[in-house]
Amino acid sequence: GAVVSQHPSWVICKSGTSVKIECRSLDFQATTMFWYRQFPKQSLMLMATSNEGSKATYEQGVEKDKFLINHASLTLSTLTVTSAHPEDSSFYICSARPPASGNNEQFFGPGTRLTVL
Amino acid sequence: AQSVAQPEDQVNVAEGNPLTVKCTYSVSGNPYLFWYVQYPNRGLQFLLKYITGDNLVKGSYGFEAEFNKSQTSFHLKKPSALVSDSALYFCAVRRTGNNRKLIWGLGTSLAVNP
Repeated sequence: GAVVSQHPSWVICKSGTSVKIECRSLDFQATTMFWYRQFPKQSLMLMATSNEGSKATYEQGVEKDKFLINHASLTLSTLTVTSAHPEDSSFYICSARPPASGNNEQFFGPGTRLTVL
Repeated sequence: AQSVAQPEDQVNVAEGNPLTVKCTYSVSGNPYLFWYVQYPNRGLQFLLKYITGDNLVKGSYGFEAEFNKSQTSFHLKKPSALVSDSALYFCAVRRTGNNRKLIWGLGTSLAVNP
């Protein structure tokens, strides 16, 4: 099956700094990637849809200037948490959908654990 | 509004016994239905999906799910549970059309006891 990777798998940063998380589709091209946030023992919350070559589409309540998304190529999307604060600590997950997938199956990365001190 | 409900936060079952993880949905039009599993400290893994056709769908690791349109349900089942099946299970739905977003349930923690 299709493989999606994320880097880093975990990161600890100081409050006020910015953190970049990478999401890569390793064996397929993805015109669309999704970024989720997951709190402990809770479901996935879709943050934004990342579109290659255009602006990301953010879900209601998600700050665009806080969570910068760049989908610069068909295999890479990045999420930058700017001026991170402790409340941004969470598990961030990306997913990608192969363009040939007629059934809209998404493949997920392993997630990135962000801890803001 | 579209929604997915997983009414049980936790399901406990003895190893070797059948297991069921429940999911009901509310969506306009014909749904695409998915089950994903999340093992501790690992990413989400796809288990199975229903798009059209046979209401009984077979997936990975011996799991299956039955689409019931009248009850708007898509319960996940396995005839004989393994301890290694212990994980967090998520049901998700997407309606047909150009909107590619998945609507997720809150997840059900499955504990299989030896």
